Amino acid sequence: RKEVEQDPGPFNVPEGATVAFNCTYSNSASQSFFWYRQDCRKEPKLLMSVYSSGNEDGRFTAQLNRASQYISLLIRDSKLSDSATYLCVVKTTDSWGKLQFGAGTQVVVTP
Amino acid sequence: DAMVIQNPRYQVTQFGKPVTLSCSQTLNHNVMYWYQQKSSQAPKLLFHYYDKDFNNEADTPDNFQSRRPNTSFCFLDIRSPGLGDAAMYLCATSRGLARDEQYFGPGTRLTVT
Repeated sequence: RKEVEQDPGPFNVPEGATVAFNCTYSNSASQSFFWYRQDCRKEPKLLMSVYSSGNEDGRFTAQLNRASQYISLLIRDSKLSDSATYLCVVKTTDSWGKLQFGAGTQVVVTP
Repeated sequence: DAMVIQNPRYQVTQFGKPVTLSCSQTLNHNVMYWYQQKSSQAPKLLFHYYDKDFNNEADTPDNFQSRRPNTSFCFLDIRSPGLGDAAMYLCATSRGLARDEQYFGPGTRLTVT
């Protein structure tokens, strides 16, 4: 079983609509959670950290459910520029906190 | 104001011909990482340096080596590239370890012919 699992998509979303997707993680001791965005053939870029109480950054909302071991990302009022692959990233609690990446969820926003 | 710089951005090498990829950072971060990412896959950590302390992942092939001559620079050496080593190679840095965010360079796309 992979440590971080994501629905690969693609999620095809009309411009202006809302899209949400989840990521599950297997290590219950994980402590830090992130969403990264990766455009085609580019490097991953940090989108937002995910806090226990949930957090919002503009049109993006992240939630953490420790009991069920998943995190979610919701994008409101989707823009064409939101088209990308969204990587779920989890940090373990061992001595150096290795990042565990999901393979990503592709989002395609259409006009 | 680039923070993590990778050179070259595209590299073509022949099967078995050694190749070196370069990463530099202006963040003065303690930790530097090398990842391999193949199409539609998650980045895979190859190794990392905490200062001069080298840490190899257990499943990183011996064909991959790394050097960090100073805080700013880190190199990835592929001694005998195979066709399966064609990938995007990403360098990342972080200030520390446990809770610090990682910042990625733009990557080097390696083609093996």
